[in-house]
Amino acid sequence: AQSVTQPDIHITVSEGASLELRCNYSYGATPYLFWYVQSPGQGLQLLLKYFSGDTLVQGIKGFEAEFKRSQSSFNLRKPSVHWSDAAEYFCAVRGGGADGLTFGKGTHLIIQP
Amino acid sequence: DAMVIQNPRYQVTQFGKPVTLSCSQTLNHNVMYWYQQKSSQAPKLLFHYYDKDFNNEADTPDNFQSRRPNTSFCFLDIRSPGLGDAAMYLCATSTRPSLNSPLHFGNGTRLTVT
Repeated sequence: AQSVTQPDIHITVSEGASLELRCNYSYGATPYLFWYVQSPGQGLQLLLKYFSGDTLVQGIKGFEAEFKRSQSSFNLRKPSVHWSDAAEYFCAVRGGGADGLTFGKGTHLIIQP
Repeated sequence: DAMVIQNPRYQVTQFGKPVTLSCSQTLNHNVMYWYQQKSSQAPKLLFHYYDKDFNNEADTPDNFQSRRPNTSFCFLDIRSPGLGDAAMYLCATSTRPSLNSPLHFGNGTRLTVT
């Protein structure tokens, strides 16, 4: 069965600084990987996804993620964060068929002035 | 805009009193999912419908049931809510084939059990 590890529960970043959120996955075949963001009291919004091709994928809101098979990682990055980026970020992997996503435990991003 | 809509946003029920949460979609997606998300935790898949085929996760309690009368609607029924069932319930959809198709989430229903 697939699994996802997000090692950082909380991360604090200054506004305007760069950001990297870590994600490691475990899956036997080629993984289908996703990053979602969740603002307080809201549903999940898709930031970006990877399933093949270029290992650097671009998403919405200026986010990007890089798939590294050798490290089983799919880290999320943003060159300059904005206060509105404060939220919970979930990395997820998808198995076969109509299976739903398996989520990591999330990383809570705090933006300080 | 096409979307996934969950009603109500907030639901309060009493311990042991049956409650139904609803989800509708205008995306015409084949697959609909229900997730449970407890405070500060990751969403946990309860079950999903692939067209009319119901697929229950092995560890989903019998207390949780679902109905999908048509493509657009899906319901989550909690037959006898306990205090531990207080959570955010998220509905999501995806197309078929599904592997590289993302899930589209509604804004969730926050359930309180008193």
